[in-house]
Amino acid sequence: QKEVEQDPGPLSVPEGAIVSLNCTYSNSAFQYFMWYRQYSRKGPELLMYTYSSGNKEDGRFTAQVDKSSKYISLFIRDSQPSDSATYLCAMSAGAAGNKLTFGGGTRVLVKP
Amino acid sequence: NAGVTQTPKFRILKIGQSMTLQCTQDMNHNYMYWYRQDPGMGLKLIYYSVGAGITDKGEVPNGYNVSRSTTEDFPLRLELAAPSQTSVYFCASSYRLQTGGSTYEQYFGPGTRLTVT
Repeated sequence: QKEVEQDPGPLSVPEGAIVSLNCTYSNSAFQYFMWYRQYSRKGPELLMYTYSSGNKEDGRFTAQVDKSSKYISLFIRDSQPSDSATYLCAMSAGAAGNKLTFGGGTRVLVKP
Repeated sequence: NAGVTQTPKFRILKIGQSMTLQCTQDMNHNYMYWYRQDPGMGLKLIYYSVGAGITDKGEVPNGYNVSRSTTEDFPLRLELAAPSQTSVYFCASSYRLQTGGSTYEQYFGPGTRLTVT
């Protein structure tokens, strides 16, 4: 069993729809939860990060963490074609070296 | 700032050959990382470094070596290339994201696409 599970997709939605992404994990030591966006043939870039449980909102993006269920989510409102990318969740226990454990990524396609 | 730069962008190696993937960052970050990304598998950590002269193994270190003689550079060496090392390699560096906390944002380079045949 992988330490972090993420549905690979692809997830295809019409422009303007809400995109819902999620990851489950097994390591209860994870405290920091991140979402990275990766465009085709580019390196990942940090989109959102959350510490411990709770919600965080940044513009059209909302990240949720439920540590009791070991489940994290990312919602993208009013999706745009420019949101088409692969979204990777990543987690860290915050130990020295800040090693991240990544999910496999979900490919999202937003159709105009 | 150029951020994290990687060379080469693409490379084809024959089985048994060796090569070095170069990584440089100009952000004065202490932490640097090497990942490989296989299709649908996310990123797996190969090696990381918390500062010049200090390196440690990640999840998949076999077949690779690293060195960190300066803050800026973190080259990855492949010895005796094998088809299983066909992948996209990303270098990253990081700094403290949250004052007083212990989480860091990792900045990634554009990647090196390596094929071993």
